[in-house]
Amino acid sequence: GAGVSQSPSNKVTEKGKDVELRCDPISGHTALYWYRQRLGQGLEFLIYFQGNSAPDKSGLPSDRFSAERTGESVSTLTIQRTQQEDSAVYLCASSLEGSSGANVLTFGAGSRLTVL
Amino acid sequence: AQSVSQHNHHVILSEAASLELGCNYSYGGTVNLFWYVQYPGQHLQLLLKYFSGDPLVKGIKGFEAEFIKSKFSFNLRKPSVQWSDTAEYFCAVNGNTGGFKTIFGAGTRLFVKA
Repeated sequence: GAGVSQSPSNKVTEKGKDVELRCDPISGHTALYWYRQRLGQGLEFLIYFQGNSAPDKSGLPSDRFSAERTGESVSTLTIQRTQQEDSAVYLCASSLEGSSGANVLTFGAGSRLTVL
Repeated sequence: AQSVSQHNHHVILSEAASLELGCNYSYGGTVNLFWYVQYPGQHLQLLLKYFSGDPLVKGIKGFEAEFIKSKFSFNLRKPSVQWSDTAEYFCAVNGNTGGFKTIFGAGTRLFVKA
């Protein structure tokens, strides 16, 4: 597609529920990244995919967080048993390739998650 | 540990004032450096980048940044800001020792008074 698409744009859920956030990267972009931005804070790295493998999962905050990617396409970030501290904007970005670092990230609009 | 530090969280300037936003990083090995900007209601987008070569890089809208390796810094500058520069600015770094994941600073919110 023309840009990185994320859904839902807004999600309000109750504590303890599971949520799924979706990211459609730019067609042809092999690298995909998930970041979290809490209110007033910077971007916190969560996970990075090169193709459908995840070389770096170091940023996932707990085992309640997981992500998968099918082929070089859609990625889903799943948060199980949500907690209030999970409230944040979840940003997805893609780039042509990730192995050299000489790549520019194209970001989506983000999914704003509010856990009541 | 790899990290990026931005010195100012909030900056308020009048139009035509000069801007300098500080950025320092802690990252071993070869680094690539970026400034991203988020205008109100818009996505994060690239402002400028440094990969190699001339340490003074120029980006869109008159912005420039200078990589000073000895100081681990990549400060953003603009000689004369405009009201339309009101935005949040993020410094970012990646490199070969971190598997090329991009790490961001906390951001600086710039408000330019017309």
